[in-house]
Amino acid sequence: SQKIEQNSEALNIQEGKTATLTCNYTNYSPAYLQWYRQDPGRGPVFLLLIRENEKEKRKERLKVTFDTTLKQSLFHITASQPADSATYLCALDRSNTGKLIFGQGTTLQVKP
Amino acid sequence: DAGVIQSPRHEVTEMGQEVTLRCKPISGHDYLFWYRQTMMRGLELLIYFNNNVPIDDSGMPEDRFSAKMPNASFSTLKIQPSEPRDSAVYFCASKEREKGNIQYFGAGTRLSVL
Repeated sequence: SQKIEQNSEALNIQEGKTATLTCNYTNYSPAYLQWYRQDPGRGPVFLLLIRENEKEKRKERLKVTFDTTLKQSLFHITASQPADSATYLCALDRSNTGKLIFGQGTTLQVKP
Repeated sequence: DAGVIQSPRHEVTEMGQEVTLRCKPISGHDYLFWYRQTMMRGLELLIYFNNNVPIDDSGMPEDRFSAKMPNASFSTLKIQPSEPRDSAVYFCASKEREKGNIQYFGAGTRLSVL
């Protein structure tokens, strides 16, 4: 079965630095991969989607890369701010059915 | 639009009782998903509907769980009888096929079964 691994340890960085979160998956390559942000007590909120034929996607301070050979996606937040502190979830859809499999998430803490 | 609306936000019940969670998807969305989130297992898909029809319920843990979508604007997830291990946060999400694969989540229902 499909498995997604995200770094379970919290990532602590200083304000202004670039945060890099990793998402690794096994078995089948997904049709696309998504990143969501989740704040305590709230539902996940969509951030970015990258398709299997795309290498990189950007949105303001966010950047996602997708390496289907390594079976890995990297999520970058440049010029990080304390407001970026949250849990970030990686999710993939193997066959473009809309059925998402989520990773456990990585908690990011940006210190002022 | 108000987004996906879930009720109640919090539910505390005793083991053996019936629990019903409710969801109103975003108007015009043709897919609805029910998820469960725990510290141990993360966010797991339980069941999803397309145009009110259940498509995949392979994530439903046991026969004690059932979900319905009687119309395009309402869905329920029922647990009968509830057990302490059902304690979790349950999320509902919806999406519109024509606008890609982005899912919009509700705020969730935190269920505690004592």
